[in-house]
Amino acid sequence: RKEVEQDPGPFNVPEGATVAFNCTYSNSASQSFFWYRQDCRKEPKLLMSVYSSGNEDGRFTAQLNRASQYISLLIRDSKLSDSATYLCVVNRDDKIIFGKGTRLHILP
Amino acid sequence: EPEVTQTPSHQVTQMGQEVILRCVPISNHLYFYWYRQILGQKVEFLVSFYNNEISEKSEIFDDQFSVERPDGSNFTLKIRSTKLEDSAMYFCASRKDSQGAGTFGSGTRLTVV
Repeated sequence: RKEVEQDPGPFNVPEGATVAFNCTYSNSASQSFFWYRQDCRKEPKLLMSVYSSGNEDGRFTAQLNRASQYISLLIRDSKLSDSATYLCVVNRDDKIIFGKGTRLHILP
Repeated sequence: EPEVTQTPSHQVTQMGQEVILRCVPISNHLYFYWYRQILGQKVEFLVSFYNNEISEKSEIFDDQFSVERPDGSNFTLKIRSTKLEDSAMYFCASRKDSQGAGTFGSGTRLTVV
């Protein structure tokens, strides 16, 4: 079983819609959690950290459920510029472990 | 905003040659990483480095690979005797502590011919 699993998509979503991504992780020793975005042929860039209490940054909301080992990302009022691959990232010991990513296409 | 800097941005090398990929992490960061991403595939962990030694490495990071922090600022990845399948984007990352998010450099695209 992969340590971090995500639906690869692609998700094709009209501009202005709300879209949600999910991610599960297998190792309960995982310590901190993040969402990154990656544009084509570019480096991963931190989108936001994920906390158990849930956290929001503008149109983006992230949630962590440690009991279910599940992380989510919600994007409201999606923009064309949100088109990218969204990477679920888990920190365990000295490793930063990436999911394979979920591709999002925002359609005009 | 502080950046992780990687050079070169693109390197083409012949199979069997050695390459050194260079990174300058953010200056007050203590944890350093190398990752690779084969085109169309996931970002794969290679190695982590802390306190002047390797703290963890993946099964990909075999004897062909080595890392060094030769001075206070550079962090290098050496690949000996490159193979065609080493062609990938190689990302360096650093972070201040073991729980924080990593900051990634813009990568070196390695093409082995």
